[in-house]
Amino acid sequence: DAGVTQTPRHEVAEKGQTIILKCEPVSGHNDLFWYRQTKIQGLELLSYFRSKSLMEDGGAFKDRFKAEMLNSSFSTLKIQPTEPKDSAVYLCASSFGLSGNTLYFGEGSRLIVV
Amino acid sequence: SQWGEENLQALSIQEGEDVTMNCSYKTYTTVVQWYRQKSGKGPAQLILIRSNEREKRSGRLRATLDTSSQSSSLSITGTLATDTAVYFCAKGTGANTGKLTFGHGTILRVHP
Repeated sequence: DAGVTQTPRHEVAEKGQTIILKCEPVSGHNDLFWYRQTKIQGLELLSYFRSKSLMEDGGAFKDRFKAEMLNSSFSTLKIQPTEPKDSAVYLCASSFGLSGNTLYFGEGSRLIVV
Repeated sequence: SQWGEENLQALSIQEGEDVTMNCSYKTYTTVVQWYRQKSGKGPAQLILIRSNEREKRSGRLRATLDTSSQSSSLSITGTLATDTAVYFCAKGTGANTGKLTFGHGTILRVHP
């Protein structure tokens, strides 16, 4: 069965570069989430889409982070320009979108910015 | 943060021992989920418990939810080395959303 697919799994970028991370949610799910995971901050929500509409756009992450969902089966997260502090694992998750529903996560994209 | 101020915790035990991990939360919830994340993977749900259940079991796992003290626990009996992972509690943020916020997690290392 197709779970959440994220690409690339690993990315090394130089400071100032633009990177695009990709996510394919579970087919039929209405909600899609982008989280950033670091040891210090844990799991932080970056963006939240419901039926392709952007519901939440991450507060502190707004200026250089942009998530898009052009169709129900594909989302991107663009970081522009990258900074070393963006080094983290970026996780995409999807769910049916009701309270109490399970989130299904991808394996994540590990980004290192040098 | 919607969670209590516990930092990322680490537990190290021997295979066969039992272990309990705890979460406390600040804002009311009727559902708590527990997730496990193994190295190099995304989190995966282990168990979901609702306020009217108080306790829920799944194999070697047992979750509790106490809405009066705003806390939840996850117990694993007879741990295996393969239980080595980071364990997170998570709660929803509203009735009409699937959005979850996650606690900081507990690193569990089970030595064979």
